[in-house]
Amino acid sequence: EVQLVESGGGLVEPGGSLRLSCEAFGFTVSGYSMNWVRQTPGKGLEWIAYINGGGDTTYYAESVLGRFTISRDKAHNELLLQMNSLRVADTAIYYCARDLIGISAYWGQGSLVTVSS
Amino acid sequence: QSALTQPPSASGSSGQSVTISCTGTSSDVGYSNYVSWFQQHPGKAPKLLISEVNKRPSGVPDRFSGSKSGNTATLTVSGLQADDEADYYCCSYAGSSTFVFGSGTRVTVI
Repeated sequence: EVQLVESGGGLVEPGGSLRLSCEAFGFTVSGYSMNWVRQTPGKGLEWIAYINGGGDTTYYAESVLGRFTISRDKAHNELLLQMNSLRVADTAIYYCARDLIGISAYWGQGSLVTVSS
Repeated sequence: QSALTQPPSASGSSGQSVTISCTGTSSDVGYSNYVSWFQQHPGKAPKLLISEVNKRPSGVPDRFSGSKSGNTATLTVSGLQADDEADYYCCSYAGSSTFVFGSGTRVTVI
């Protein structure tokens, strides 16, 4: 059964860092393009980062470019998101998603990140 | 990248149909046939309903259908059921492996 399980969220002060993990079950992350999407509480969805199946191509939304880094850990079959220089506006539920707009699209349950002093 | 435009809300009686539009530009919705629709119940993760404009993954009832004309994609939910009450989001490829979501539509079953 396909599952994506995010972890690593929590409370962090503005300017701080956090690393999110998304462990995959039932498939290999290196076989799919993977994405991070966030949702502000009570608001809509925002795509923020993409990594291709080969792991050698990444793209970012302008809102996180230069501060966030998407990567994969093949040994642990995980998708990662390193978030630096966090801002209050980055407060959101962060979802990892497989093959975002393809027929095999699948999302994790999300991890809440709160940036506050 | 601006969010795609969706109506904030839509409603219909049980058994009736509801249609949700998703309007973008020639750089996203009108750029390719990579438009998807997701359903999100409160406190849950989004679930794929439609991919590539009109393809349903296995397990999604044929009450859900999608189409596209120009820069506007449309999701139709026929035979509304109580469990269809949820938020619906469109998502479009916007070139160079970037994506943009719609603003979301809350569907209420009267």
